Amino acid sequence: NAGVMQNPRHLVRRRGQEARLRCSPMKGHSHVYWYRQLPEEGLKFMVYLQKENIIDESGMPKERFSAEFPKEGPSILRIQQVVRGDSAAYFCASSPSSPGNYGYTFGSGTRLTVV
Amino acid sequence: DQQVKQNSPSLSVQEGRISILNCDYTNSMFDYFLWYKKYPAEGPTFLISISSIKDKNEDGRFTVFLNKSAKHLSLHIVPSQPGDSAVYFCAAAPGDNFNKFYFGSGTKLNVKP
Repeated sequence: NAGVMQNPRHLVRRRGQEARLRCSPMKGHSHVYWYRQLPEEGLKFMVYLQKENIIDESGMPKERFSAEFPKEGPSILRIQQVVRGDSAAYFCASSPSSPGNYGYTFGSGTRLTVV
Repeated sequence: DQQVKQNSPSLSVQEGRISILNCDYTNSMFDYFLWYKKYPAEGPTFLISISSIKDKNEDGRFTVFLNKSAKHLSLHIVPSQPGDSAVYFCAAAPGDNFNKFYFGSGTKLNVKP
């Protein structure tokens, strides 16, 4: 009974490289959300996707960040030309429909370190 | 602009006693409130929720109270157990967008045996 699977768990990138974070939602879940947690802070919403559609990207930085959830395969959060400030834990969550009162199911996160 | 605030970064409680975690919010449009629990190196797990039409919701040892006029909610855990030691986040969403939650910065609860 796999939950939300994120990989890699840890990712180290040098400044200027690209980071690709993957998220496979729970079986039967068609809604995917990405959140970022900076050190000593709460989770901040980045983007909400359904299959092949970005529904809400109001929390995404305007540059260097993109997300997709293709018809087949995992959702990808892509960060181009990473900078030290991108170091954070990135959490993916999924839900079968609008989460409402039941919230999301989160994955274990990808910890990105930019050196 | 922090719309959900948890002003206590940490809380220490003796096993068997009550733990009270607090959360304040500023946006009067928030309609749904959730508490998540997070262990180190894991993702947050959903604990309990409450909608703005209620002022209390109970699930076993966990009770959430909502005071809309004060824009304040609290999570009570009684009796507290060592396994409850974790970081607790409160989160809120407006009624017209349940897909985007605003999280507080968390309170680290330590339950001492």
